[in-house]
Amino acid sequence: AQTVTQSQPEMSVQEAETVTLSCTYDTSESDYYLFWYKQPPSRQMILVIRQEAYKQQNATENRFSVNFQKAAKSFSLKISDSQLGDAAMYFCAYRSLRGGGSNYKLTFGKGTLLTVNP
Amino acid sequence: DTAVSQTPKYLVTQMGNDKSIKCEQNLGHDTMYWYKQDSKKFLKIMFSYNNKELIINETVPNRFSPKSPDKAHLNLHINSLELGDSAVYFCASSRGLAGVETQYFGPGTRLLVL
Repeated sequence: AQTVTQSQPEMSVQEAETVTLSCTYDTSESDYYLFWYKQPPSRQMILVIRQEAYKQQNATENRFSVNFQKAAKSFSLKISDSQLGDAAMYFCAYRSLRGGGSNYKLTFGKGTLLTVNP
Repeated sequence: DTAVSQTPKYLVTQMGNDKSIKCEQNLGHDTMYWYKQDSKKFLKIMFSYNNKELIINETVPNRFSPKSPDKAHLNLHINSLELGDSAVYFCASSRGLAGVETQYFGPGTRLLVL
């Protein structure tokens, strides 16, 4: 079974600075998908960025980018020019590429609570 | 325009009661999911339906029963509620199963069992 580990329960960053949230995962599969979701105090789960494992290029979405290291099974999220609205719980998630039953689910890490200081 | 909606947003009830949470998506998606987020914020899949067919059924007590009357709706019925059922329940949907299909989440239903 796949597992996702987020080793930083909490992180803080100054407004306008850069922060990196770490995520590692364990899998025996070679193809899969990885996601970062954001959960602000409103509780809404919002997709931040996603990465297909077969793509070597790191995904970017505006101020958000990932450092995907397939061999190390690492998928960190970098937030540049941090804004107060970035304050939230961030979840890393894994999804198998293989079809069938439970493979379609997202497996989440335990989350990292990001605080942005003005 | 709410993509994935859940009702109610908050639910406070007594142990032993039966309750339902409703979920609707207007995205035209084929696949819907129920996740549970416990007090430590850990999110775990419970069920998933694709075209009204159950495809994921994780280790969940029989007291939980999902029902999908059509592709746009996936309701969660819980019998004989227990204290440990207190959590936030999220509904989600995706266009399909194959590929890197993004799951879109509803706002969550906070259930408190007293």
